[in-house]
Amino acid sequence: GESVGLHLPTLSVQEGDNSIINCAYSNSASDYFIWYKQESGKGPQFIIDIRSNMDKRQGQRVTVLLNKTVKHLSLQIAATQPGDSAVYFCAEIKGGGSEKLVFGKGTKLTVNP
Amino acid sequence: DSGVTQTPKHLITATGQRVTLRCSPRSGDLSVYWYQQSLDQGLQFLIQYYNGEERAKGNILERFSAQQFPDLHSELNLSSLELGDSALYFCASSVGGRLNTGELFFGEGSRLTVL
Repeated sequence: GESVGLHLPTLSVQEGDNSIINCAYSNSASDYFIWYKQESGKGPQFIIDIRSNMDKRQGQRVTVLLNKTVKHLSLQIAATQPGDSAVYFCAEIKGGGSEKLVFGKGTKLTVNP
Repeated sequence: DSGVTQTPKHLITATGQRVTLRCSPRSGDLSVYWYQQSLDQGLQFLIQYYNGEERAKGNILERFSAQQFPDLHSELNLSSLELGDSALYFCASSVGGRLNTGELFFGEGSRLTVL
């Protein structure tokens, strides 16, 4: 089965709050992780990535944290906006430049005004 | 707009039938990936083509096949359709053959409904 999964299938937050979406992976050989955002009726869209030699990476309003000890990945969204409402997927690529991108099942984020 | 074009957007057909889904990658991208997204399975990798040749295979059924043409567009053929094949089928493209930069661009998908 897939080695990437998510702790919670849904998350509801108030506009302006910070959101944290979690992801667990089981393959310690994975060396590259990506977060995707999928809005209703659209394809997944790249948000941010992180390599296994890093613990943290920041983008615009988003931060990805990687804890290799417990094989845990999280996506933090600061000052969540209604436009952030979507399904968020974590994905992993195993070492060696594998072509296979393994997706988790996704977390649906709902931002309440 | 990702630059990846998929047709048709919606398709309704009956069990036992055969359909073809089409994908045009972003200009300059040599790799095309096919993914199936269903409610209970999430995004499942089916197959990848790079510059016309099959590069990687995932959970693709024998009833399904794909190809990439010289102009780099790709087609996914689904035959002997079953109710369980109802899903969103996404095509994605990237410049190279290896996914080590995350530069994977998805189309908006083809929604297949098998009745």
